[in-house]
Amino acid sequence: DSGVTQTPKHLITATGQRVTLRCSPRSGDLSVYWYQQSLDQGLQFLIHYYNGEERAKGNILERFSAQQFPDLHSELNLSSLELGDSALYFCASSAFIGQGSGYTFGSGTRLTVV
Amino acid sequence: DQQVKQNSPSLSVQEGRISILNCDYTNSMFDYFLWYKKYPAEGPTFLISISSIKDKNEDGRFTVFLNKSAKHLSLHIVPSQPGDSAVYFCAASSGSARQLTFGSGTQLTVLP
Repeated sequence: DSGVTQTPKHLITATGQRVTLRCSPRSGDLSVYWYQQSLDQGLQFLIHYYNGEERAKGNILERFSAQQFPDLHSELNLSSLELGDSALYFCASSAFIGQGSGYTFGSGTRLTVV
Repeated sequence: DQQVKQNSPSLSVQEGRISILNCDYTNSMFDYFLWYKKYPAEGPTFLISISSIKDKNEDGRFTVFLNKSAKHLSLHIVPSQPGDSAVYFCAASSGSARQLTFGSGTQLTVLP
């Protein structure tokens, strides 16, 4: 157990629907990062929050949004889902921005859009 | 535009031999490089890192080499063990936000 909790582990939904993925960071970590891993691809950076504030955006679609709450958990909202949104979505946390040893990842949410 | 590239999708090595995983990058602003290991149904786990001010970092059986002029890094695993079989991602970071840019991964299989 890495200490980063992602729920749900699996999600199957239809095109056009909206889903919410949840991430609880490791205790004490202020930074939360979201990544998407599509089939045979590396992890694509989506968005970074630090202590409730958005710090950086990557290749995140306008249909996707995220937020980090006062208790530091984060949610990634995916709307108007398309078949191509099927992927593994990982959340990672770190204590600070720039922590040298990298992030601690959760085990991911596998989203299947049918 | 892939800024971090792992050109070998897979690598098979005999147990006890050396595994060498390679990674190339294009962004000269990257100043910190990491390797992650990923088993099926788990998230990536941090393995080893190196700062751009160094050219080598060693941790037990794992050594990372950085060649800044060639924009190339490699991970050496000696000796390789069957438990090392996993997908290995290299990653790089720069700037104040420190988000990581990942390569597409290399599936390492260590044969008994």
